[in-house]
Amino acid sequence: DIQMTQSPSSLSASVGDRVTFTCRTSQSVYGFLNWYQQKPGKAPKLLIYAASRLQSGVPSRFSGGGSETDFTLTISSLQSEDSGTYYCQQTYNTFYHTFGQGTKLEIK
Amino acid sequence: QVQLVESGGGVVQPGRSLTLSCAASGFTFSDYGMHWVRQAPGMGLEWVALIWNDGTTTYYADSVKGRFTLSRDDSKNTVYLQMNSLWDEDTAIYYCAREVVPPAGIEYKWLDPWGQGTLVTVSS
Repeated sequence: DIQMTQSPSSLSASVGDRVTFTCRTSQSVYGFLNWYQQKPGKAPKLLIYAASRLQSGVPSRFSGGGSETDFTLTISSLQSEDSGTYYCQQTYNTFYHTFGQGTKLEIK
Repeated sequence: QVQLVESGGGVVQPGRSLTLSCAASGFTFSDYGMHWVRQAPGMGLEWVALIWNDGTTTYYADSVKGRFTLSRDDSKNTVYLQMNSLWDEDTAIYYCAREVVPPAGIEYKWLDPWGQGTLVTVSS
């Protein structure tokens, strides 16, 4: 199985900050990497698919990058509504999709 | 609009069974694979199972393989998760989600949208 490691596990930042989350996979997943945002008590919401493609309706301050085993999710200018937990997911392995353990983002 | 609504959650004793349903609307259900993802209290997301759009193939996480069965009824736009031999560790919110694959090019996959989730509590 492909293992996913997200870092940091939690992060505290201020409005206007540039924030970057990292997701590392145990083997190459090429571009088969998605990012989701989850707010407390809510279902996850798709932000980025195929490593770098912005889902329709998602603010342009969100961007994704990376390839092979190392991926990033960046928020260029943090807003108060961006608090929540962010998860990466690999879909390269058709038989077994995996999520990272999540990064919890707090707004100072 | 595209919508998924889960139902069937509740409190169940260890070793018993429960069936969850996910009703879809707003899209051609038979064109899409469907997933279940669960989230234990205070924990992260765990992928559980997938059924292809034609219903011929299913995949399961090791933690549920042999105990859970995923099926679909395209006439009802509904996918079902039959859960047998439930353990305490199966206590979680269960989400269904639609798998999206682009119509052309590389077959990247992603989950969108997700339902609101249904809570399963395994407790004596």
